[in-house]
Amino acid sequence: TQLLEQSPQFLSIQEGENLTVYCNSSSVFSSLQWYRQEPGEGPVLLVTVVTGGEVKKLKRLTFQFGDARKDSSLHITAAQPGDTGLYLCAGNTGTASKLTFGTGTRLQVTL
Amino acid sequence: DAGITQSPRHKVTETGTPVTLRCHQTENHRYMYWYRQDPGHGLRLIHYSYGVKDTDKGEVSDGYSVSRSKTEDFLLTLESATSSQTSVYFCAISESQGKAEKLFFGSGTQLSVL
Repeated sequence: TQLLEQSPQFLSIQEGENLTVYCNSSSVFSSLQWYRQEPGEGPVLLVTVVTGGEVKKLKRLTFQFGDARKDSSLHITAAQPGDTGLYLCAGNTGTASKLTFGTGTRLQVTL
Repeated sequence: DAGITQSPRHKVTETGTPVTLRCHQTENHRYMYWYRQDPGHGLRLIHYSYGVKDTDKGEVSDGYSVSRSKTEDFLLTLESATSSQTSVYFCAISESQGKAEKLFFGSGTQLSVL
C-alpha cells in the first residue's frame, strides 16, 4: 500500500498570509490530485497534475508536481477565510481504482 | 454539483446489528466507490464497483459487503457492526478510471456503533 504523508497536519494562519502544504511519498504516481473538504461535506476536486514538474494555478492556489512524481505541494497566496478546510492529496498509480489519499492538512484562516 | 445522495446522513446503532448505507447517483457514471474517513488515516477505499453486479475489494474491506443491482445504486452493508466501524462513510462516483479519474463525492454518512 502506497503511503502519502501530508505536512503540516494543522495550520492556523491569519487572513493575508501565504502558506504551503506538502504531500510526500516514496512511491511514484502517474497523477496526483488535490481535494478540499469542508465540514459535513465530501471532498471536492481542485486539480489534477500528471507530468513531473508540472505547475498549475487556480486563482490564488498554485499546485506543483515533483519532478520524480513522488511529491506535490500546494501554495496559497494571501489566504482568505474561505480557504478554510481540510486539504487532501491523492495519488494514482494508474491501475484501476488505486487512488491513495493522504492524511490531510486542516487549514484555518482567521480574520 | 454531481447528483449523489447518501442515506441516511446519520446513524446510531448497536454492536452486532446489521447496517446498510445507500448511495444513489443520477449521473449514470459507471464507477462507484465506498470510502471511510477516520482521523489520521485520510480516506480509505472499502469496496468499489465497475458496473452492475461487478464489484471488487478495496484496502479495508473486512466486515463489509456491497451490492450494485442498478447503475444508480450502490449499497454498503455491515453484516454485524463493530465499534471499530464507527466512522464517516463517503460514496464517490467517476466516469472513467486511471490518470484522468475524477471522483465526485457524496456528503457522507456519520455512523456510530455503540
